[in-house]
Amino acid sequence: NAGVTQTPKFQVLKTGQSMTLQCAQDMNHNSMYWYRQDPGMGLRLIYYSASEGTTDKGEVPNGYNVSRLNKREFSLRLESAAPSQTSVYFCASSDQGGQPQHFGDGTRLSIL
Amino acid sequence: RKEVEQDPGPFNVPEGATVAFNCTYSNSASQSFFWYRQDCRKEPKLLMSVYSSGNEDGRFTAQLNRASQYISLLIRDSKLSDSATYLCVVDLNSGNTPLVFGKGTRLSVIA
Repeated sequence: NAGVTQTPKFQVLKTGQSMTLQCAQDMNHNSMYWYRQDPGMGLRLIYYSASEGTTDKGEVPNGYNVSRLNKREFSLRLESAAPSQTSVYFCASSDQGGQPQHFGDGTRLSIL
Repeated sequence: RKEVEQDPGPFNVPEGATVAFNCTYSNSASQSFFWYRQDCRKEPKLLMSVYSSGNEDGRFTAQLNRASQYISLLIRDSKLSDSATYLCVVDLNSGNTPLVFGKGTRLSVIA
């Protein structure tokens, strides 16, 4: 039972490079989320997808784009990475909005 | 008032102690409440849901006070393995928007 799978687990980028973080869930959940977590800041919601075919901005969407590829997969793209985007990124899913979220084990991203 | 607010701690307690965390939330109409646990450099994991009548799971007790808009988590007989950050999570908008996570309260249980 994989739950929520994120790839890659670690990545180092140079400023200006682009990359896509992948997330897949096997729990048949409708809703998926992307968060970033920085020291002292707690979890901050970047984007979410309440259901297949919809995406919405969260608290800190600038510099990111997302794609809900199908019900299972929700990707996060950094078009032009900046050092301020150095963070730990978590993907999560839930059956619906008010239900508990299940998290992947995170992607540690460093931008030099 | 911040949407979901927690004392960041750290709470440093000896093994065997009882410790309690509170969390306040902004919307009196909120319906669902949860406590998550996050270990250092790991993902958050659901610890327990919080029900209106209060609920207990082993050494952990969660309570809801709607009148004062806070939830609490009580840990009895603390173990070293309880050391973690505890996140208060609230459904502020009846499922129409994502759950809101507090910044967490850090607990260190000391031998």
